[in-house]
Amino acid sequence: GQQVMQIPQYQHVQEGEDFTTYCNSSTTLSNIQWYKQRPGGHPVFLIQLVKSGEVKKQKRLTFQFGEAKKNSSLHITATQTTDVGTYFCAGPHNDMRFGAGTRLTVKP
Amino acid sequence: GAVVSQHPSWVICKSGTSVKIECRSLDFQATTMFWYRQFPKQSLMLMATSNEGSKATYEQGVEKDKFLINHASLTLSTLTVTSAHPEDSSFYICSAVQGGVYAQYFGAGTRLSVL
Repeated sequence: GQQVMQIPQYQHVQEGEDFTTYCNSSTTLSNIQWYKQRPGGHPVFLIQLVKSGEVKKQKRLTFQFGEAKKNSSLHITATQTTDVGTYFCAGPHNDMRFGAGTRLTVKP
Repeated sequence: GAVVSQHPSWVICKSGTSVKIECRSLDFQATTMFWYRQFPKQSLMLMATSNEGSKATYEQGVEKDKFLINHASLTLSTLTVTSAHPEDSSFYICSAVQGGVYAQYFGAGTRLSVL
């Protein structure tokens, strides 16, 4: 089946610094989703990307889907302590595979 | 927003017993529900996909006779861990998808400890 690789595994930043996590697939994805899981919590849906080269923004979060639809990224500008958690990419929705996740910690 | 309720949140059982976990979509009809297993600080491993009224589709390596899934209605799916053993101890989490909307809404998860 499809595999979704995600890096980095961990990222520790100072509050106010930017953060990026990357996902790569061995095959073309029809779509990709991003989720956030707070410590001790359950994953919460953030967004779905469908179109080649798509870019979507949610406040300080910017999501991109590569032109070849094999990679995606999530960028957080000026991190805050509330951004702490593990960010997962997953896809496609009809054959869901989760990436390993990137655990973000933010030092105030 | 879409709410998924998972029960129980924590269960401790003796080896050899069976445990049933319920996953309910409270304010929408879930055409598809997913069951995952998550080990500490690791990603979610898809165990099976269940569609209402049909047999669940299990991932490779997941024993269907061990992990019984029933999706009897559009709002309820159950996972039964039969003859549980200590190696089955894990965090089990379900998610539900509303028809035409591809976001997965997750339950809070069930932590299973088998003694």
